[in-house]
Amino acid sequence: SYVLTQAPSVSVAPGQTARITCGGSNIGTKRVNWYQQKAGQAPELVVYDDRDRPSGIPERFSGSNSENTATLTISRVEGGDEADYHCQVWDGDSDHWVFGGGTKLTVL
Amino acid sequence: QAQLVHSGAEVKKPGASVRVSCKASGYTFTGFYMHWVRQAPGQGLEWLGWINPDTGDTTYAQKFRGRVTMTRDTSIDTAYLELSSLSSDDTAIYYCARGRIDRSDFWGQGTLVTVSS
Repeated sequence: SYVLTQAPSVSVAPGQTARITCGGSNIGTKRVNWYQQKAGQAPELVVYDDRDRPSGIPERFSGSNSENTATLTISRVEGGDEADYHCQVWDGDSDHWVFGGGTKLTVL
Repeated sequence: QAQLVHSGAEVKKPGASVRVSCKASGYTFTGFYMHWVRQAPGQGLEWLGWINPDTGDTTYAQKFRGRVTMTRDTSIDTAYLELSSLSSDDTAIYYCARGRIDRSDFWGQGTLVTVSS
């Protein structure tokens, strides 16, 4: 089955740029979605189809995907961005969703 | 405004079954897939499967086949998840999530299911 790998944690100072990666075999051929989950809340979609943002998501959130790594980039990080971030793909071969293990973003 | 309202928390004994409901409002229930995802305490997200509310078609994660059943009642815009043969490993928050086959754009607040003897 398809596997997605995320680092458990990333730390960044306010105003800096956070990069959260999601590794998978030829993930560049799949469409990657990113969900933000704040403490005690349900996940919220922040980037879909590698790089598109739902309505209401700030432009500070951007995504990219190439070869074996997808990246969620958060520019000008704010305290309110502190959350767990989960990458997700749909594996068309199995018709299954696959999630990465999640990355906890800490704002120093 | 779209809403997904979950049923209340459940406490079950090992070996029992649980049914969680998710009532949709503010959008056309049959126009979107409904996925079910769970999250054990302190853990990541785990996908259980989806149901197409329009047709009733389902796809289940291989791990849960034989133990999971997803249904819907279009007369009351509600989706259901039933999980049987519960063990302590099934203790988790269970979320319904509206979307397409390949992603979700909106999640409910979840139902906590606790399995304990």
